[in-house]
This record gives sequence, structure tokens and C-alpha cells, in this order.
Amino acid sequence: AQKVTQAQTEISVVEKEDVTLDCVYETRDTTYYLFWYKQPPSGELVFLIRRNSFDEQNEISGRYSWNFQKSTSSFNFTITASQVVDSAVYFCALSEAGRGGSEKLVFGKGTKLTVNP
Amino acid sequence: DAGVIQSPRHEVTEMGQEVTLRCKPISGHNSLFWYRQTMMRGLELLIYFNNNVPIDDSGMPEDRFSAKMPNASFSTLKIQPSEPRDSAVYFCASSLFGEPQHFGDGTRLSIL
Repeated sequence: AQKVTQAQTEISVVEKEDVTLDCVYETRDTTYYLFWYKQPPSGELVFLIRRNSFDEQNEISGRYSWNFQKSTSSFNFTITASQVVDSAVYFCALSEAGRGGSEKLVFGKGTKLTVNP
Repeated sequence: DAGVIQSPRHEVTEMGQEVTLRCKPISGHNSLFWYRQTMMRGLELLIYFNNNVPIDDSGMPEDRFSAKMPNASFSTLKIQPSEPRDSAVYFCASSLFGEPQHFGDGTRLSIL
């Protein structure tokens, strides 16, 4: 069965600090996707990134970066120079590769990030 | 472009009443998903459709829950009869084949 573990329930940092959110996953599939979603206080879920299991290249997008390591089944998310607007709950998720359609997401329990001014 | 549209945004009703949640996916998307978010269980998939056909409904809690997708632009999730433990935020998401899912703003449901 697929499983996603986000061991950090809550993290609190001061603005401009770097912060890393951990994500560990379990799957028997050889082909799968990993995702990060952001849920700000307003409640909507915002897609941040998707990686497939064959692409272990790290990715950087502005202040955000992601580190995917199959050897440790981890897909960690780092925010550099955090800002108050980064305060949100961040979810890591996993899905099988689609077989003619899209597949369901299995979510971790989320990490609540609070960035204090 | 319009995103996934859910209605109502909030629903408060009494135990035993029928509740219908609605979702309009992004135009052109061929997959639609219903998720439920609670403090205890987090985000969990209830059911999803590909090309209007239900593919996996193993997450539907019990027979009180039903979902339909009569056409590519509309889906409903119905709870009858509702119970206090059904109180949650219900999200609808849609995607194009093989692409990431995009979520609606959710329906916050409270059953008294």
C-alpha cells in the first residue's frame, strides 16, 4: 500500500530563516509521482510541484527547492529566506502513474509552517 | 481560466437531512476527484472518475454516500442521511490526463 509520512506536524521559524519540510513515502510501484501542495489559511489547496519516479534531479523555483532521493524514499521541500506569506500547511502526496487516466493522490498529514515576522 | 468550482462554500444542516455538494471541473479535464479533509484523518480520497466513469470508490465511507458525474462538466456528492461525523471540508479536484490535479476551494460542511 502507498503511504506518505510527514513527521513534522508543526514548524515555527522567524522570517528570513531557511526551513526544510520532510516527506518520506512508501510504494511498491516502480513508476509513481510525488507532489507538494500548499494550503494557506484561506483553505484552498494550491499545487506546487510534481516529480516522476524516474527524475531525481533537484528542482529550484525561486525561493523553493525540492530534493528527491529514491535511495531514502524522500522528497523534501526547502523554503529559502522564508516570508510571512509562506505560512501555511504543506502537504506531500504520492500517486501511481496513470493507466489511461489520472490516479488518486495519497496525502501525508501535512506540516503546518508558521513564519513569524 | 476558471478553476474548479464548488458549491456551496458552506453548508450547515441538521442530522438526518440530505446534503448535496456540487462540482464543476475545469473545462476539458477528463478526471474528477472527491476528497474529504478532517482533523483526524487528514485528506482522503472518496471517489474518482475518468471520462465520467467511476474508477475507484473504495474511499466512500458507507452507503449513505453517493457520487455521480452525469456529464463532463458536472458532478455531485450526496450524503443521505447526514450524520455529525460527516462534518468536514469536501474538496473536488480535476485534471487532464496525466497532469496534476487542481482543487476547488472546498465545501465546509457542518452537520448539527
